[in-house]
Amino acid sequence: EVQLVESGGGLVKPGGSLRLSCAASGFSFSTHTMNWVRQAPGMGLEWVSSISSGSGYIYYADSVKGRFTISRDNAKNSLYLQMNSLRAEDTAVYHCARDLRTSGSYASDYWGQGTLVTVSS
Amino acid sequence: QSALTQPASVSGSPGQSITISCTGTSSDIGAFNFVSWYQHHPGKAPKLMIYDVTNRPSGVSDRFSGSKSGNTASLTISGLQTEDEADYYCSSYTSSSTYVFGTGTKVTVL
Repeated sequence: EVQLVESGGGLVKPGGSLRLSCAASGFSFSTHTMNWVRQAPGMGLEWVSSISSGSGYIYYADSVKGRFTISRDNAKNSLYLQMNSLRAEDTAVYHCARDLRTSGSYASDYWGQGTLVTVSS
Repeated sequence: QSALTQPASVSGSPGQSITISCTGTSSDIGAFNFVSWYQHHPGKAPKLMIYDVTNRPSGVSDRFSGSKSGNTASLTISGLQTEDEADYYCSSYTSSSTYVFGTGTKVTVL
């Protein structure tokens, strides 16, 4: 069974940093592109970042470019999101999701339940 | 990249059919056949319902179907059931190698 479990969320002050983790199991993690998607309170889903299976291709939403860094450790079946210079508007539930790109499609077929990040003084 | 445009809400009675539209641009929906739809119950993980415009993942009811014309995609739910009540989001791959989501539609079963 595919499982994605996020951790690392919490309360942080504006300008602070946080590192999110996503533990993957039940599939061949090293062969899949992975995504981070967030949902701010009362708002819709927003794609944040994608990383290819070998970390050779990385993409960011304009809203986080230069502040967030996505990475992965295939040996540990783990995905990460380093978030720096956090702003109030980064407050959201952050989901990790498996991408279907390996199969030639572009969508996220499995998602974690998410971890809440709150940026507030 | 601006969000794709969806109606804020759609409602229907049990057994009826409803359609949710999703309007983008020639750089996303119009550029690729990579439109997907997600069902989201608050507090839970989003669930993939449709990918590549028309394909259903294994286990998704055939009451859900997708289509696309130009820069607009649509999700149709036929034989509406109470458990279909949720938020629905469209998404598209873009010419910038990113994803863009829709604004979201709340489906209410009357």
